[in-house]
Amino acid sequence: NAGVTQTPKFRVLKTGQSMTLLCAQDMNHEYMYWYRQDPGMGLRLIHYSVGEGTTAKGEVPDGYNVSRLKKQNFLLGLESAAPSQTSVYFCASSYELAGVRTPSQFFGPGTRLTVL
Amino acid sequence: EDQVTQSPEALRLQEGESSSLNCSYTVSGLRGLFWYRQDPGKGPEFLFTLYSAGEEKEKERLKATLTKKESFLHITAPKPEDSATYLCAVQDAMSGNQFYFGTGTSLTVIP
Repeated sequence: NAGVTQTPKFRVLKTGQSMTLLCAQDMNHEYMYWYRQDPGMGLRLIHYSVGEGTTAKGEVPDGYNVSRLKKQNFLLGLESAAPSQTSVYFCASSYELAGVRTPSQFFGPGTRLTVL
Repeated sequence: EDQVTQSPEALRLQEGESSSLNCSYTVSGLRGLFWYRQDPGKGPEFLFTLYSAGEEKEKERLKATLTKKESFLHITAPKPEDSATYLCAVQDAMSGNQFYFGTGTSLTVIP
């Protein structure tokens, strides 16, 4: 199993450009998440999905959009990139036991994005 | 208001010198408390999940404990390969089961 994979690994954008980050998981997990990690801020949830075709806003959703057309994929879009979106982006997936407990989140290796 | 606070921010230990990392939380609907290890340039790696006060879990030199207000990650006789940033997160049932992360403790173990 590859676990959670993310593409690309690195990207440099100019202000105003758009791009899509792809996350894929092969563990058949229902839940998927997008986080950003900034120095001194910890991981902050951008958007998440509780199943195919569903998405929800997290703590810092502004400037981002997401889609989950297939269970194994979760896409994060930046329509008009801004320097404040320079960050490391992590995707994660998880499942629930008996609809109550989340044993863990599994993280991808991250995408390092720089917006000039 | 921060839901998760970790201390200390950084910790330097001599090899073999045991210590503890702290994670305090303020969410009212705790569904689970998670510990992760993160190496530079990599994604967080899952260590433990604790669900209720009094619960303890162990893995090699690491032991995690949970009370109603905080969790501790005890490191016994650490080795240089334990050097990493340790992250704590809580899942809050009162906010749609979202996860909230602390800023981490950067641990350096000196040979």
